[in-house]
Amino acid sequence: GQQVMQIPQYQHVQEGEDFTTYCNSSTTLSNIQWYKQRPGGHPVFLIQLVKSGEVKKQKRLTFQFGEAKKNSSLHITATQTTDVGTYFCAGGNAGGTSYGKLTFGQGTILTVHP
Amino acid sequence: SAVISQKPSRDICQRGTSLTIQCQVDSQVTMMFWYRQQPGQSLTLIATANQGSEATYESGFVIDKFPISRPNLTFSTLTVSNMSPEDSSIYLCSVSGQPNTGELFFGEGSRLTVL
Repeated sequence: GQQVMQIPQYQHVQEGEDFTTYCNSSTTLSNIQWYKQRPGGHPVFLIQLVKSGEVKKQKRLTFQFGEAKKNSSLHITATQTTDVGTYFCAGGNAGGTSYGKLTFGQGTILTVHP
Repeated sequence: SAVISQKPSRDICQRGTSLTIQCQVDSQVTMMFWYRQQPGQSLTLIATANQGSEATYESGFVIDKFPISRPNLTFSTLTVSNMSPEDSSIYLCSVSGQPNTGELFFGEGSRLTVL
């Protein structure tokens, strides 16, 4: 079955440093999504990438989808303490019989030291 | 986005008992999804709950252990049956935000501890 690997498992940074998490799928994806889960909270949708080579930005967050649609990355510039949490990528297929069926990566736990 | 309410938010249960988790959505949705997140782990899809038909279970999950009801387009329940400590997890209800795009909105989760 489809597997989605995410690295690193943990990342500790000083406030102001950059952070990147990487996601790799064993199969070609139709789309990739990113979620953030604050400590004690539930996953919250951040963004979805659909096109090969797509790059999207949300303020200090930059999301990329690989040309082969098998890998993705999330980069945070100048981290803040509010960025603390676990970041999950999730590979999926839109529509059809796999509608809504996502395979989540293991997540990267980000801690930010003030 | 949808507003999803889950009950209970947390519970401590005894081995061998069963617990039913409720999920209420503020709008009508075709499919609802139940995920499990074991301590410190990622999210694993248990089943997809469709209104008017049997739930579709993922590999490793069976109806006898996780019976699901979906009586209408805004409500679903997941029962964790004959619980063991290995069932200690967060159980999350989710729905898709838009047709055919697949992003998920999650309830706040039900944190179960089985002693």
